[in-house]
Amino acid sequence: DGGITQSPKYLFRKEGQNVTLSCEQNLNHDAMYWYRQDPGQGLRLIYYSQIVNDFQKGDIAEGYSVSREKKESFPLTVTSAQKNPTAFYLCASSFSGQAMGYGYTFGSGTRLTVV
Amino acid sequence: DQQVKQNSPSLSVQEGRISILNCDYTNSMFDYFLWYKKYPAEGPTFLISISSIKDKNEDGRFTVFLNKSAKHLSLHIVPSQPGDSAVYFCAAVAGGTSYGKLTFGQGTILTVHP
Repeated sequence: DGGITQSPKYLFRKEGQNVTLSCEQNLNHDAMYWYRQDPGQGLRLIYYSQIVNDFQKGDIAEGYSVSREKKESFPLTVTSAQKNPTAFYLCASSFSGQAMGYGYTFGSGTRLTVV
Repeated sequence: DQQVKQNSPSLSVQEGRISILNCDYTNSMFDYFLWYKKYPAEGPTFLISISSIKDKNEDGRFTVFLNKSAKHLSLHIVPSQPGDSAVYFCAAVAGGTSYGKLTFGQGTILTVHP
């Protein structure tokens, strides 16, 4: 079955540590995205990538980094510079230029908690 | 700058009645709109969409209405069922066939009571 997989589902991080959230898709989608969900603020775009080895900052990129070495994978690193990293993180993918129709396919999310 | 706004954080309706979720936008370049449904601890799933060349799109119990002059869209669910209880996100994209970066609203929590 094709889909998009995020791991881990729950992640705990100590202050000052970097952590990497995994996102893998086997839908042959060109574009991948990372969103953050906070209560009352909806989904905010962190980074997105249209093709391999290329990515752009979204609306709240500070304190985050990404890489896109393979079409299937778009890992997100939450660095120690991110002031308030506790949130629910969602990865999504789509064919480039295909926001129409069903839009994105989302993963099931990673809940990151800083302890 | 919130370009897509869902001003009602929550909505409570009785089973069998109509649920109406509202969404406003400010960017006149938006030309395609989508609604997503999200359960706790899960990713959003696509529900229904509408192009700016239409003012209505229907899919079973779900209908989306678009009023371009008012920059307003709404999602109607008739009849509402307890399984519809979830967070509903409105999303918009600009540029027609260009790369589709979605902008989301804050979400509305819908609770359908049996």
